[in-house]
Amino acid sequence: EDQVTQSPEALRLQEGESSSLNCSYTVSGLRGLFWYRQDPGKGPEFLFTLYSAGEEKEKERLKATLTKKESFLHITAPKPEDSATYLCAVQAGNQFYFGTGTSLTVIP
Amino acid sequence: DAGVTQSPTHLIKTRGQHVTLRCSPISGHKSVSWYQQVLGQGPQFIFQYYEKEERGRGNFPDRFSARQFPNYSSELNVNALLLGDSALYLCASSLRGGTGVNQPQHFGDGTRLSIL
Repeated sequence: EDQVTQSPEALRLQEGESSSLNCSYTVSGLRGLFWYRQDPGKGPEFLFTLYSAGEEKEKERLKATLTKKESFLHITAPKPEDSATYLCAVQAGNQFYFGTGTSLTVIP
Repeated sequence: DAGVTQSPTHLIKTRGQHVTLRCSPISGHKSVSWYQQVLGQGPQFIFQYYEKEERGRGNFPDRFSARQFPNYSSELNVNALLLGDSALYLCASSLRGGTGVNQPQHFGDGTRLSIL
């Protein structure tokens, strides 16, 4: 069964305290893995697309990496404005699967 | 440039009624997808349309249907509403769609549907 699992469910960090979020997947025929940020009451905001194992993408304090079974979203020296729910999604064939997200809170 | 726009933003219906949700994609985007997001969960894929044809379907009952118009806007229809249909309905657009395409989707802020 195609599945996407994110961990941890929730994460509290002090401002400046770096950490990583995990997205593990079991799908057949991965076509792409996507990271999104979602703020309360808003739709998901696109962050990154990763297509193949070994690929890395960076944007400001965020860096996404991909292996054959999982992806990591590394957050370096986070700021309070990075607080949000981070969602991972995979495309397999013509299906899209989202994880349940990691709720990140960055404390000043 | 305008992002993905959805209407209405909020809607209250009663069980058994029918609802139509609307979505306008980003200019130049030809594919639209629909998702259902229950509070505390990730979005669940309902449909993808590209060039007015259904290109993908998630595990939702036949009460859910959609269509895409020549201007690439889309409607999601839900019949015989159940309490469990209460959720945030999200629309996403991408340049292209279909099995062989792996492009990022850009989301609107959704329609909050409440069933009484």
